[in-house]
Amino acid sequence: GQSLEQPSEVTAVEGAIVQINCTYQTSGFYGLSWYQQHDGGAPTFLSYNALDGLEETGRFSSFLSRSDSYGYLLLQELQMKDSASYFCAVREGGNAGKSTFGDGTTLTVKP
Amino acid sequence: EPEVTQTPSHQVTQMGQEVILRCVPISNHLYFYWYRQILGQKVEFLVSFYNNEISEKSEIFDDQFSVERPDGSNFTLKIRSTKLEDSAMYFCASSEPPFNEQYFGPGTRLTVT
Repeated sequence: GQSLEQPSEVTAVEGAIVQINCTYQTSGFYGLSWYQQHDGGAPTFLSYNALDGLEETGRFSSFLSRSDSYGYLLLQELQMKDSASYFCAVREGGNAGKSTFGDGTTLTVKP
Repeated sequence: EPEVTQTPSHQVTQMGQEVILRCVPISNHLYFYWYRQILGQKVEFLVSFYNNEISEKSEIFDDQFSVERPDGSNFTLKIRSTKLEDSAMYFCASSEPPFNEQYFGPGTRLTVT
C-alpha cells in the first residue's frame, strides 16, 4: 500500500533547530515535497527533492535518501511564526501526477 | 504576487444537492489540481488536469465528481449529489514547469447538512 509516516507532534523552543522526518512507501516516486500549513490556511510550498542530498532555502533545508525511502525537513533558528503543521508529500507521477500527503506534523515553538 | 483564488470561501448545502466550487489558477500555469482536507486530517489528492483533460484522479474522485475548465481562466469542481462525508475544505492548486511547486488557493469550506 501507499503510506507516508511522519511524527504527529514536535515541540521546540525559539532559536532551536528541529528535524521532521518522513518515510514513505508509494507505488511511484518522482520527488518529495514539504508544505507548511497554518491553522485554517492553505498549504504553502517549502521545498522539493527529486535527487538524493540536501536542498537549502534560507532557514529551511530538506534532505532525501531514495534508497532509504526517507527524507527530512530541517528548520533552523526557529521563530514563533514557524508554529504550524508540516506535511511531506510524495509526487507519484509525472508532470501532473498524483501527490500523496503524510498526516502532518504539528510543530509548536515555545518562547 | 500572483495567487490562486477560490470562490466561495464557504458553501453550505443540503445532502443530495449539486455544488460547484470555483478556482482561478495563476494565469501562466498549465497544470491544475483539486485536493480536499477533512477537518483535522491530511490533504488528499482528488484530481489533476492538463490540456483540458484529466491527467490523474484518485479513488475518491468517483462518478459524483467532475472538473471543467469552462474558459481560459476558471477551473471548477462539481459534486453532483453531495453526501455528508463530502464536508471538507477543498483546495485548488496550480503549477508551471518544472511542476515541482504547487500554489494552493485559500480553499472553499464545504459543509453538507
